[in-house]
Amino acid sequence: NAGVTQTPKFQVLKTGQSMTLQCAQDMNHEYMSWYRQDPGMGLRLIHYSVGAGITDQGEVPNGYNVSRSTTEDFPLRLLSAAPSQTSVYFCASSSPAHSTDTQYFGPGTRLTVL
Amino acid sequence: AQTVTQSQPEMSVQEAETVTLSCTYDTSESDYYLFWYKQPPSRQMILVIRQEAYKQQNATENRFSVNFQKAAKSFSLKISDSQLGDAAMYFCAYRSAYTGGAQKLVFGQGTRLTINP
Repeated sequence: NAGVTQTPKFQVLKTGQSMTLQCAQDMNHEYMSWYRQDPGMGLRLIHYSVGAGITDQGEVPNGYNVSRSTTEDFPLRLLSAAPSQTSVYFCASSSPAHSTDTQYFGPGTRLTVL
Repeated sequence: AQTVTQSQPEMSVQEAETVTLSCTYDTSESDYYLFWYKQPPSRQMILVIRQEAYKQQNATENRFSVNFQKAAKSFSLKISDSQLGDAAMYFCAYRSAYTGGAQKLVFGQGTRLTINP
């Protein structure tokens, strides 16, 4: 049981480049979320999904796209990277069927945009 | 919109002593959940403790306990018998009970805790 996995762990991009941050979970969780963490700030919600085919925006969605074609995977796409997107990105998953309803976080991806 | 405030950017404590981290939040909702997460240098987010707003009893997990004051909208974390492994960034977080479990957590800015041997 790997839990929540994220790839890559580190990435450097140039302004204007595109990339996809991968997130996968093997716990059959319905809910998945993407957060970003900036220095001096807590995590902020980018996008979330309550099930395959269903996504919605969080607090800071601009510049990011998501899709959820399977229960297991929830990729985050940067179509045209900007220096303001330099951050650490966390994926999380949870299930309302679990009594504790706890979010499980991946190890994070550190992204630098030059 | 809900907000979470951690007014202590940094705290330090001697090993084996007790330390309390502060958290206040603002909400107009009556039903919600509050969490403390620990983030060590490995960057992994680890759930420390969870509190349901409808429960008056303060949550405890081994050496970790909370002081939940609903009327004051305060949610502090007490760490007893501090250990070197407790050194980390600690985040307070809020989740509405009305979002259908969509897991939209609102985080505070974090408190960096240092343990002095």
